[in-house]
Amino acid sequence: DTGVSQDPRHKITKRGQNVTFRCDPISEHNRLYWYRQTLGQGPEFLTYFQNEAQLEKSRLLSDRFSAERPKGSFSTLEIQRTEQGDSAMYLCASSFYRVDGYTFGSGTRLTVV
Amino acid sequence: AQTVTQSQPEMSVQEAETVTLSCTYDTSESDYYLFWYKQPPSRQMILVIRQEAYKQQNATENRFSVNFQKAAKSFSLKISDSQLGDAAMYFCAPLQGGSEKLVFGKGTKLTVNP
Repeated sequence: DTGVSQDPRHKITKRGQNVTFRCDPISEHNRLYWYRQTLGQGPEFLTYFQNEAQLEKSRLLSDRFSAERPKGSFSTLEIQRTEQGDSAMYLCASSFYRVDGYTFGSGTRLTVV
Repeated sequence: AQTVTQSQPEMSVQEAETVTLSCTYDTSESDYYLFWYKQPPSRQMILVIRQEAYKQQNATENRFSVNFQKAAKSFSLKISDSQLGDAAMYFCAPLQGGSEKLVFGKGTKLTVNP
């Protein structure tokens, strides 16, 4: 297993456009998490899936954000009508036992111009 | 909301020396877990060490160890024999007993001087 993969690594988009990011977790991990990290800050929780069920969403996840995990495998995070404030690193992580800690991907860096 | 305080935005250490990064947190739970993560420049977040709050013994992973003071809600990370590859942002993150959500501090940037 190659770990948690995220695609793309970088995305530059114009304000108002929609973007979609993909995360492929470690195959045996049933838990998947999305975090957002802005410059100089620690990651902030966005949402959590157990298998295909989205069980928790942060208030940070406005109506413009949606995440899916069809069939409990890969996940996508879509941001509609992007704003400059959406510029950040979007991190995906997965785990089997939450108390063992997460395995993170390398992230997708989004720049909204 | 749970808060995590890493009071040292930046630290530096000489190669082969020892450095301690501090972290305090608040929680009303008795059952929780604590993690330190390392984020090298432009690279992914890596788990360094974990501590179970119900265990009194401090966790150790090779050159990395923690000083866990449950009553003080303090969870510091000690790096011994510092190496150039230890240079990174270090984040403290508690996980409450019934939660799936890691809450991260703002991080400490560690520089290792040759």
